[in-house]
Amino acid sequence: KAGVTQTPRYLIKTRGQQVTLSCSPISGHRSVSWYQQTPGQGLQFLFEYFSETQRNKGNFPGRFSGRQFSNSRSEMNVSTLELGDSALYLCASSLEPGGNQPQHFGDGTRLSIL
Amino acid sequence: QKEVEQNSGPLSVPEGAIASLNCTYSDRGSQSFFWYRQYSGKSPELIMFIYSNGDKEDGRFTAQLNKASQYVSLLIRDSQPSDSATYLCAVNTRTYKYIFGTGTRLKVLA
Repeated sequence: KAGVTQTPRYLIKTRGQQVTLSCSPISGHRSVSWYQQTPGQGLQFLFEYFSETQRNKGNFPGRFSGRQFSNSRSEMNVSTLELGDSALYLCASSLEPGGNQPQHFGDGTRLSIL
Repeated sequence: QKEVEQNSGPLSVPEGAIASLNCTYSDRGSQSFFWYRQYSGKSPELIMFIYSNGDKEDGRFTAQLNKASQYVSLLIRDSQPSDSATYLCAVNTRTYKYIFGTGTRLKVLA
């Protein structure tokens, strides 16, 4: 069974631009969560999607948004990029939402803001 | 108080020894507990999960949960240099989120 697939693996952007990251979950997994990982803050929860609906969100500004499609694939968008958005963005999928199911991570997208 | 706390380490153990990694959490309503391993430059990999008080064993790994004291531990028996990584504890909360600790860096010395 294929794992969680994230694209692209690396991105370099400049301040003020926007970026879209993509995530394909494990087949049969309907919940997709996004995380930001930085050396200083660790893994920070961004949001969780299930059945094309945002089920939960973390404490990030509105510049961070996401969506989920009917095939459970998800995208995350960050607008008006800031230097502090440089991070590893991880997507994780699980069978069901709510935090009771094990989550499986993709390899991540490393975003660098110049 | 942080929702999930781990000692950042590094925790150094000799090869063949038992490594003990600990995690405390603040939400008494938490029901699910997960351990992930993350090698440098890689994404987190699920090792174990536990839902009930007591011990759960899987190969060289044992997860221990004590809900009354609000801690969860991971024991690694016969530690190998390949076990050197950062170990992340994750806990679900009553708001249905996964909250991660900042991780404990483990170094197994050959």
